[in-house]
Amino acid sequence: AQSVTQLDSHVSVSEGTPVLLRCNYSSSYSPSLFWYVQHPNKGLQLLLKYTSAATLVKGINGFEAEFKKSETSFHLTKPSAHMSDAAEYFCVVSDLLYNQGGKLIFGQGTELSVKP
Amino acid sequence: DAGVIQSPRHEVTEMGQEVTLRCKPISGHDYLFWYRQTMMRGLELLIYFNNNVPIDDSGMPEDRFSAKMPNASFSTLKIQPSEPRDSAVYFCASSITRNQPQHFGDGTRLSIL
Repeated sequence: AQSVTQLDSHVSVSEGTPVLLRCNYSSSYSPSLFWYVQHPNKGLQLLLKYTSAATLVKGINGFEAEFKKSETSFHLTKPSAHMSDAAEYFCVVSDLLYNQGGKLIFGQGTELSVKP
Repeated sequence: DAGVIQSPRHEVTEMGQEVTLRCKPISGHDYLFWYRQTMMRGLELLIYFNNNVPIDDSGMPEDRFSAKMPNASFSTLKIQPSEPRDSAVYFCASSITRNQPQHFGDGTRLSIL
């Protein structure tokens, strides 16, 4: 069975400092992995996705994530936080059967706060 | 380019009333998904459609919930009768194919008193 664990429910950083949001997954198949961001009173927006191509994935707004199979991790990073990055971030996994109707499994979310 | 459009954005109603949530997917997207988001349970998939046909409704909580997609540009999620525990944010999402990223609407915040 597939599952995803976001290791921190809340992360607080200062503006201009690096961001690290941690995610571990469990999958019986070669997974597809995603990071979504949700700003207050808005829907989820795709930041980036991994689908078995390059292990370092670059997304929008300067975010990137690295797929590490040996560690079953897919952590999200950004070199320098901006105030507008404050939001909820979701790590999402699907499995090999995704192309045939598999489901997305969402993590519980990590709330990112950015201090001036 | 219009995104996924949901209405209403907010709904407050009394227990026992019928509630209908509406969604217009992005034109050309063959898949439509309904999710529910709560603090306790996070984001849950309720049901999804492919080419207007319901494919998997195993996430629908109970018979009080029903969803329809009469055409490619419109879907409804109905709760009858509503209960306070149905209070949540309901999201609709659509995608071009099953393995392409899903595009979410801004959600309907539902409060059942």
